[in-house]
Amino acid sequence: AQTVTQSQPEMSVQEAETVTLSCTYDTSESDYYLFWYKQPPSRQMILVIRQEAYKQQNATENRFSVNFQKAAKSFSLKISDSQLGDAAMYFCAYRSPTGTASKLTFGTGTRLQVTL
Amino acid sequence: KAGVTQTPRYLIKTRGQQVTLSCSPISGHRSVSWYQQTPGQGLQFLFEYFSETQRNKGNFPGRFSGRQFSNSRSEMNVSTLELGDSALYLCASSLQGKNSPLHFGNGTRLTVT
Repeated sequence: AQTVTQSQPEMSVQEAETVTLSCTYDTSESDYYLFWYKQPPSRQMILVIRQEAYKQQNATENRFSVNFQKAAKSFSLKISDSQLGDAAMYFCAYRSPTGTASKLTFGTGTRLQVTL
Repeated sequence: KAGVTQTPRYLIKTRGQQVTLSCSPISGHRSVSWYQQTPGQGLQFLFEYFSETQRNKGNFPGRFSGRQFSNSRSEMNVSTLELGDSALYLCASSLQGKNSPLHFGNGTRLTVT
């Protein structure tokens, strides 16, 4: 079974600075999907960014980018120019290429604080 | 386009009771899945429905069940509630395809006393 590990329970960043959230995963599959979701106090899980394992290029969405290291099974999220609205829980998630597409395996999350 | 709607937002029940939670997916999304979120276990997959059929089920006891209607709306039911069932229950919908992301609702916070 796949596992996802987020080793940083909490992180803090100053507004306008850059922060990197770590995620590692364990799998024997070669083709899979990885996601970062954000959960603000409203509780809704919001997709931040996604990466297909077969793509070597790192995904980017505006201020959010990933560093995908397939051999190391690492999938970190970089947030540039941090804003107060970025404060939330961030979850890394893995989706297997087999089975149902709706089954994600989540990490335990990293709580991000953004300070002035 | 309206997002995923879950009702109710909060629910308080007593041990032994049963509860039904509702989820309306994004229009056009036929896949609906449910997740349980607790501080101890994190986010865990409960089950997925597509075209009124359960396609996959997580490692939960039979007290947890669900169904999907012809309009893709879904309900999940928990019978004989236990204190450990207190959690945030999140519903997500998606289009077909492995690359389709899940779109989550705001969840239903269930408290069992």
